[in-house]
Amino acid sequence: EAQVTQNPRYLITVTGKKLTVTCSQNMNHEYMSWYRQDPGLGLRQIYYSMNVEVTDKGDVPEGYKVSRKEKRNFPLILESPSPNQTSLYFCASSTFRGSQPQHFGDGTRLSIL
Amino acid sequence: GQNIDQPTEMTATEGAIVQINCTYQTSGFNGLFWYQQHAGEAPTFLSYNVLDGLEEKGRFSSFLSRSKGYSYLLLKELQMKDSASYLCAFSDSNYQLIWGAGTKLIIKP
Repeated sequence: EAQVTQNPRYLITVTGKKLTVTCSQNMNHEYMSWYRQDPGLGLRQIYYSMNVEVTDKGDVPEGYKVSRKEKRNFPLILESPSPNQTSLYFCASSTFRGSQPQHFGDGTRLSIL
Repeated sequence: GQNIDQPTEMTATEGAIVQINCTYQTSGFNGLFWYQQHAGEAPTFLSYNVLDGLEEKGRFSSFLSRSKGYSYLLLKELQMKDSASYLCAFSDSNYQLIWGAGTKLIIKP
């Protein structure tokens, strides 16, 4: 089954404790992206990757890191999480950026205390 | 600059028809997407319009007018399961997606 898998689905943690949210897709997609979704603000892009070893900042990259060492994986790293990073996070992938439908993971609800 | 706008919330009756509008401004355009998102779930793709006109997919249709910077999603024969948020997003000159904040559609029996 074609899918984007994110883990964990839910996480409650404390300020400053490094965490990683994993994302993996099995569709051989070149383009992958991370979004955060907050009430009233819609989806905001954090980082995206056009291919292996190619990553770029989105609209709200501060406080986040990503890597793309393999085509299928695109982890999101919060080195020193803060309460303003409490949000619902989605990973997405597609064949091409901006001209093909994106497939979204089920989301990760992150609470930083 | 670039911007995109859609109503925050709409209410409709089961069995009826509803039209959700989306307006945008951009200097470069490479198509417009509609996604459906049930509460707490991932967005799922509904439609992609790159040329003017109406595209129909079962009970859902999407319309685009590039000259007016306008799109709408038309939902017919509304069912309770259609209660969800509907997100529009356009692809700009760099194929970057610009997302609207979403329209929450409430279906009443």
